[in-house]
Amino acid sequence: SQQGEEDPQALSIQEGENATMNCSYKTSINNLQWYRQNSGRGLVHLILIRSNEREKHSGRLRVTLDTSKKSSSLLITASRAADTASYFCALLSNDYKLSFGAGTTVTVRA
Amino acid sequence: KAGVTQTPRYLIKTRGQQVTLSCSPISGHRSVSWYQQTPGQGLQFLFEYFSETQRNKGNFPGRFSGRQFSNSRSEMNVSTLELGDSALYLCASSLSRDSPLHFGNGTRLTVT
Repeated sequence: SQQGEEDPQALSIQEGENATMNCSYKTSINNLQWYRQNSGRGLVHLILIRSNEREKHSGRLRVTLDTSKKSSSLLITASRAADTASYFCALLSNDYKLSFGAGTTVTVRA
Repeated sequence: KAGVTQTPRYLIKTRGQQVTLSCSPISGHRSVSWYQQTPGQGLQFLFEYFSETQRNKGNFPGRFSGRQFSNSRSEMNVSTLELGDSALYLCASSLSRDSPLHFGNGTRLTVT
């Protein structure tokens, strides 16, 4: 099954700034999901975007999906120290296999 | 609603031993998936169970096995442990095949 490729691998920003991370993939998908993981803990689901959707919002999070370019981005606006975590995109294939990218590590500096 | 519960939280085992990890899904969730997370390989899918049947399987050797009970609780077993099996093992449950996963906090397995 395919894995998403995330970019950048790591990101360091000042509190209050926006953070953007990207996920690219190769074959068609059923949906694309974003998760957050705090150090040593389980993953927490953030947003799910279906293949026929282009943009979704949840609080300070905005996810876009461009199926023609096979890419998605996650934007965190007005970042806070509590946003420090690893962020993963996960691709659900049309045969219902979910695979995770390597993740982007975000550090928000106070 | 209680979240996904994994036990134990930490485990230290010796090479050659076997280990069983347990996962209780969110009430009403019939699908349970297991993932292995390591710094080198990231999150790797192990298997998924639904209604006591293995529905999907990742590319792991036969030493890794699992099962699901009628109450949807799941266990995974690793036999003949190797040093490379040291990892965070994550269990997740979901309502349906295309809905988000709800993860437990994992079992940290160290093999010495």
